[in-house]
Amino acid sequence: GAVVSQHPSWVICKSGTSVKIECRSLDFQATTMFWYRQFPKQSLMLMATSNEGSKATYEQGVEKDKFLINHASLTLSTLTVTSAHPEDSSFYICSARVAGGFSYNEQFFGPGTRLTVL
Amino acid sequence: ELKVEQNPLFLSMQEGKNYTIYCNYSTTSDRLYWYRQDPGKSLESLFVLLSNGAVKQEGRLMASLDTKARLSTLHITAAVHDLSATYFCAVDILGSGGGADGLTFGKGTHLIIQP
Repeated sequence: GAVVSQHPSWVICKSGTSVKIECRSLDFQATTMFWYRQFPKQSLMLMATSNEGSKATYEQGVEKDKFLINHASLTLSTLTVTSAHPEDSSFYICSARVAGGFSYNEQFFGPGTRLTVL
Repeated sequence: ELKVEQNPLFLSMQEGKNYTIYCNYSTTSDRLYWYRQDPGKSLESLFVLLSNGAVKQEGRLMASLDTKARLSTLHITAAVHDLSATYFCAVDILGSGGGADGLTFGKGTHLIIQP
């Protein structure tokens, strides 16, 4: 149980285009999903917290107009990188927290999406 | 601001040896997580430590948590090549209302175990 999927697993796009990444909880409901970004050989950095039915909360330094997050249902959150540029190339990983789950912040991570912007 | 520091950041060791990875964090928290990441892959959860003095073991890995010292350790016993990976610790601070917050990760320890 507690499987999180991401689609696509990798994407290559031209500079200036927009890319949408989907994060799905397959066998559980997730009221909260998180989006992280990982540059090569670096750690994961939290970008934003996505709550079902409400606006996402962005971390300091993350442009909300560039990284659009939509959490339309309890099993799906999407991250859209608008007008992508080469510096946005990174490994994007989502995680999901089980709705009504344990008191601790147990998160299940998706397999990641590797974005390359040419 | 919560800061999480791991050391060492890089470790090369021989099979059969023991070693410890350290994770220090700056703000009071009693929830600490250890993850493993293989190249090009996402995170695999190893341990969740929820209280002071917590100790968990799985195979050759053992993790412990000292909330007073704000320190967690990941100990590797008799290392084998298959344990080569990058190991991350992560900490969170839940809101007083029990809301979920994202995790703050350490920089990771890149572990290479040589035959």
